[in-house]
Amino acid sequence: SQQGEEDPQALSIQEGENATMNCSYKTSINNLQWYRQNSGRGLVHLILIRSNEREKHSGRLRVTLDTSKKSSSLLITASRAADTASYFCATDEDDYKLSFGAGTTVTVRA
Amino acid sequence: DAMVIQNPRYQVTQFGKPVTLSCSQTLNHNVMYWYQQKSSQAPKLLFHYYDKDFNNEADTPDNFQSRRPNTSFCFLDIRSPGLGDAAMYLCATSRVGVGETQYFGPGTRLLVL
Repeated sequence: SQQGEEDPQALSIQEGENATMNCSYKTSINNLQWYRQNSGRGLVHLILIRSNEREKHSGRLRVTLDTSKKSSSLLITASRAADTASYFCATDEDDYKLSFGAGTTVTVRA
Repeated sequence: DAMVIQNPRYQVTQFGKPVTLSCSQTLNHNVMYWYQQKSSQAPKLLFHYYDKDFNNEADTPDNFQSRRPNTSFCFLDIRSPGLGDAAMYLCATSRVGVGETQYFGPGTRLLVL
């Protein structure tokens, strides 16, 4: 079942700007992952944050996790046209299955 | 190098005509998943295999079945496709364990006429 809810549904920014999207979930988790999906393609894993971590960085990506609020955010800094994609958060509860949010569609304008 | 391969990339079938989608992996992962994704929606898990053990999601229609003849291959069979089954079908693999990354194939876009 879908556990994550993402906000906003869509985001349009200028190249070079930062993009921030949020994910909220309902039940306790072990980990939260973010995936990217280019149009008409499969999903690609971006980053995982564990429930005992508060912040994690990977290149131009910064992820935060607030387990008390059951929410996470993904920040993409200095966006590029190639960052145009849909971004999904995914949570695992007690096994290896993932529950995906509805996604945020990001458009980066040149 | 492709790690999760799906064939075909596009499949057109007729209403009620059985169709099979295939997935293969070179990662030697224990777990293989099939997701259905409709436009602007989250991927919805249909079922998964942990080795040879088949695990169906409670709300997956009986119309959808799967086979995993060996570690590398997994098939999705849609016995009698309806118009509502038009979607992108994504195959993914992972090692078993909490916090493992899932590796996705490029997907098969199914069109039902």
